Amino acid sequence: AQSVSQHNHHVILSEAASLELGCNYSYGGTVNLFWYVQYPGQHLQLLLKYFSGDPLVKGIKGFEAEFIKSKFSFNLRKPSVQWSDTAEYFCAVGSKADKLIFGTGTRLQVFP
Amino acid sequence: EAGVAQSPRYKIIEKRQSVAFWCNPISGHATLYWYQQILGQGPKLLIQFQNNGVVDDSQLPKDRFSAERLKGVDSTLKIQPAKLEDSAVYLCASSSSLGSGSYEQYFGPGTRLTVT
Repeated sequence: AQSVSQHNHHVILSEAASLELGCNYSYGGTVNLFWYVQYPGQHLQLLLKYFSGDPLVKGIKGFEAEFIKSKFSFNLRKPSVQWSDTAEYFCAVGSKADKLIFGTGTRLQVFP
Repeated sequence: EAGVAQSPRYKIIEKRQSVAFWCNPISGHATLYWYQQILGQGPKLLIQFQNNGVVDDSQLPKDRFSAERLKGVDSTLKIQPAKLEDSAVYLCASSSSLGSGSYEQYFGPGTRLTVT
């Protein structure tokens, strides 16, 4: 069965700290991977996506993620977080049938 | 471009009552999704439409939930009768993809349903 695991449920950081959020997936076919973000009071929006090619994907606002096929992982990183990065982050795996399966989310709080 | 619109934004009902949610996708998007997001969990797909046909409704509790997408544009999701465990945020999303796998889903603001 397809599934997505996000290991960190709640992460608290100070500004300028580095961030890495874990995401592991289980999927039998060609995989498309996504990170979505939900800022307080806002819609879910796409942060970055991986379909094929370079496994290091760069997204908006300085975020990046690395697809490691052997580890079934797609961890999200940012070298230096800002207070405005406070949000909930969701990893998702998608099939060619356009179906998304989301992880449980990681709540990130960044303190000035 | 205008985003995905949903209404109402909030709804409080008593158990066994019925409720309906409305979604207007981004213009031209063929694929429309309804998700249920229970507090502390990620969104879970309930139903997926492509134009006005159902692609996937395997996770839709069909004894109480129904959805339609007339004319392949707007969609409504109905719950009748509601149960306490239906308290959640109901998200609508749309995509221009037609099964190519290369797509982004655009989400609406959601409807927060509280069943008392």
